[in-house]
Amino acid sequence: NAGVTQTPKFQVLKTGQSMTLQCAQDMNHEYMSWYRQDPGMGLRLIHYSVGAGITDQGEVPNGYNVSRSTTEDFPLRLLSAAPSQTSVYFCASSYSLYSNQPQHFGDGTRLSIL
Amino acid sequence: KQEVTQIPAALSVPEGENLVLNCSFTDSAIYNLQWFRQDPGKGLTSLLLIQSSQREQTSGRLNASLDKSSGRSTLYIAASQPGDSATYLCAVGGSNYKLTFGKGTLLTVNP
Repeated sequence: NAGVTQTPKFQVLKTGQSMTLQCAQDMNHEYMSWYRQDPGMGLRLIHYSVGAGITDQGEVPNGYNVSRSTTEDFPLRLLSAAPSQTSVYFCASSYSLYSNQPQHFGDGTRLSIL
Repeated sequence: KQEVTQIPAALSVPEGENLVLNCSFTDSAIYNLQWFRQDPGKGLTSLLLIQSSQREQTSGRLNASLDKSSGRSTLYIAASQPGDSATYLCAVGGSNYKLTFGKGTLLTVNP
């Protein structure tokens, strides 16, 4: 059971480049989300999805796009990378945010924008 | 807007000591509260989840309590061990499918 898998683990980009951070889960979870973690800021919600075809914005959505075509996958796209997007990105999933089931996190993608 | 505060920001204790980590939140309309552990360079691991209707949850040496009316939760760690050294994060599940995190408590348990 792989849980939540994020790829790549590390990435360096130049300002203005675009890229997609991949997230896949094999637990048939309906709820998936993306967070960024910055020193002194804690984890902040970027986007989330409550099921295939349904996405919504979190606290810090600007500069990021998401889509959810399948239950398993929830990619995060950086449209035009900026140095302010240098961060550690975490994907999480759960059966439901309101259930007694915990959130499962991936190991993160460490992204540097030069 | 929900705000989650964790005190202290850092804590250093000798091995074997019992300790308490604190979490407070501003909006009591929550669905659940979770405590996570994060090791350096790693993702988050869920330790305990308390539903809003519950008062506490226990797992091994860990006990988490929830007082929704006062907006407080505590994580009690009994007989701490060096392997408990990590950052502990509190998160509350609220409306609109959003999980709000505190900034964490960095725990160091010294042998």
